[in-house]
Amino acid sequence: AQSVSQHNHHVILSEAASLELGCNYSYGGTVNLFWYVQYPGQHLQLLLKYFSGDPLVKGIKGFEAEFIKSKFSFNLRKPSVQWSDTAEYFCAVNLYSGNTPLVFGKGTRLSVIA
Amino acid sequence: GAGVSQSPSNKVTEKGKDVELRCDPISGHTALYWYRQSLGQGLEFLIYFQGNSAPDKSGLPSDRFSAERTGGSVSTLTIQRTQQEDSAVYLCASSLEGWDQPQHFGDGTRLSIL
Repeated sequence: AQSVSQHNHHVILSEAASLELGCNYSYGGTVNLFWYVQYPGQHLQLLLKYFSGDPLVKGIKGFEAEFIKSKFSFNLRKPSVQWSDTAEYFCAVNLYSGNTPLVFGKGTRLSVIA
Repeated sequence: GAGVSQSPSNKVTEKGKDVELRCDPISGHTALYWYRQSLGQGLEFLIYFQGNSAPDKSGLPSDRFSAERTGGSVSTLTIQRTQQEDSAVYLCASSLEGWDQPQHFGDGTRLSIL
């Protein structure tokens, strides 16, 4: 069965610090990879996605993620965080074939302090 | 345009009662998914619909859980004889058909079993 691991449960950063959130998945086949964000009191929103092609994916709000197939990783990065990035971040995968359910990591809570 | 709509937003009920949760997907989205989000368990897949049929029910935790979708649109998740461990946020997502289509989430229904 597929599984997704997010290494950090809670990350606290000062504004302008750089961010990297780890995500590893276990599945031997081809997968689609996603990062979703949940701002306080809001629904899950898609931050970025990787299906194929360039392993460096750029998303909304200055976020990017790099797919490293050999490491089964899809880490999320942002060079300079803002207070408004305070949210919970979820890494997710699904199979590269039609519509399939997402398997989520347990999430990383990011708190950005001024 | 309108996003995924879920109702009620909050539901408090007594143990042993039945509950119905409703999801209205984005217009034109043929795929519909139910997940639940609970403390300690993260986001778990429950059931997936393609049109009115459910090719994957593997995530339903027990036979007290059932779901249906009629007219290829609205879906209802029913939990019979609720237990305290059913307390969670139940999320619905929808997507267009295709391997490269991301899932769009609703705000969820927060279910509390007393």
